[in-house]
Amino acid sequence: SAVISQKPSRDICQRGTSLTIQCQVDSQVTMMFWYRQQPGQSLTLIATANQGSEATYESGFVIDKFPISRPNLTFSTLTVSNMSPEDSSIYLCSVLDGSSYNEQFFGPGTRLTVL
Amino acid sequence: SQQGEEDPQALSIQEGENATMNCSYKTSINNLQWYRQNSGRGLVHLILIRSNEREKHSGRLRVTLDTSKKSSSLLITASRAADTASYFCATADNYGQNFVFGPGTRLSVLP
Repeated sequence: SAVISQKPSRDICQRGTSLTIQCQVDSQVTMMFWYRQQPGQSLTLIATANQGSEATYESGFVIDKFPISRPNLTFSTLTVSNMSPEDSSIYLCSVLDGSSYNEQFFGPGTRLTVL
Repeated sequence: SQQGEEDPQALSIQEGENATMNCSYKTSINNLQWYRQNSGRGLVHLILIRSNEREKHSGRLRVTLDTSKKSSSLLITASRAADTASYFCATADNYGQNFVFGPGTRLSVLP
């Protein structure tokens, strides 16, 4: 299975600032995703990170707030822009492992607290 | 959307007992995957079961899938305190994408 790392693992940020989260995979993958998990809640898909093109966002999420980059098949970033306390969540990246019948594997997550 | 729903929301059992969690969904799927999450950390992939499969085993885990009832169950046998975690199901659409997660079951295994 793919090994996924995320940076930072956690951060505390001030309202109005932005944070960029990095996701690195140890192998080339076609599909990468970004999820948000608000406190005590389940996971909600933010967007699919497409290599070489704009990300595909789910309803309720917009590029201006959550810009995503995917420069190659092993790396992606998610930026949380103009943060407010409501953005305090765990942000997780995931990949589809096509060699494992489309099992979805997750990174360890980034715990964000916005003051 | 094909929202997965887990049942129960919370489950508390004694070490050594079996734990059963259920997941229901609304539309046809390609596969259903179960995950474990410890204390707000990353998700650990447990089992994937495809729509043409009815049962899968992995160690102390047993997953069933009933596509006619649009439901799945996760059984953990001989539970241990280390099994204490939240468990989520996630369904993938007919293309194997567009994952939708259920709300999760919080399992507490008491020593």
